[in-house]
Amino acid sequence: EDKVVQSPLSLVVHEGDTVTLNCSYEVTNFRSLLWYKQEKKAPTFLFMLTSSGIEKKSGRLSSILDKKELFSILNITATQTGDSAVYLCAVDPGSYQLTFGKGTKLSVIP
Amino acid sequence: KAGVTQTPRYLIKTRGQQVTLSCSPISGHRSVSWYQQTPGQGLQFLFEYFSETQRNKGNFPGRFSGRQFSNSRSEMNVSTLELGDSALYLCASSLGQVTDIQYFGAGTRLSVL
Repeated sequence: EDKVVQSPLSLVVHEGDTVTLNCSYEVTNFRSLLWYKQEKKAPTFLFMLTSSGIEKKSGRLSSILDKKELFSILNITATQTGDSAVYLCAVDPGSYQLTFGKGTKLSVIP
Repeated sequence: KAGVTQTPRYLIKTRGQQVTLSCSPISGHRSVSWYQQTPGQGLQFLFEYFSETQRNKGNFPGRFSGRQFSNSRSEMNVSTLELGDSALYLCASSLGQVTDIQYFGAGTRLSVL
């Protein structure tokens, strides 16, 4: 059975801190790994990673994939209160479904 | 471009009733997937439709069913509701190719009393 494990489950930081969120996976087939941010309801897409070692970057957020060790990290630098959300990691095994981790709840306090 | 639209946003039903949820995908997207999100289990895949055909189904009982129309809009139906069906039901759309990005709607919050 495909499995995605995120850590930590929750995290409280102060504005300006840098955070690293972790995602490890075990899947029979691997096509891509995706990160989403869920604030209220709709998860919003952040990154899709398909190749090892290539960092994807968007503003203060960045992510990288290690297909040998089967994990990905999501980094957020200079955190702001608007970064408070649940961050979801999902793996696409190429069968038109995503397998999600339980998410990391990030709280950024002023 | 409008995003994924789900209706209704909130529903309250009682045990034993049935419910139908609706999802309109992003214009041009032909694949619609449904997920159930609960605090204990997280997001779990229900089923995926492409061009009115179900291509994949998750491990849910037969009370959960869906369909897709020729305009790519999709509905999911839950019959004989149970308390444990209370959840946020999320719909996602994509172009439908392998490894396409799925874009999510805001969900329907179903409460079963």
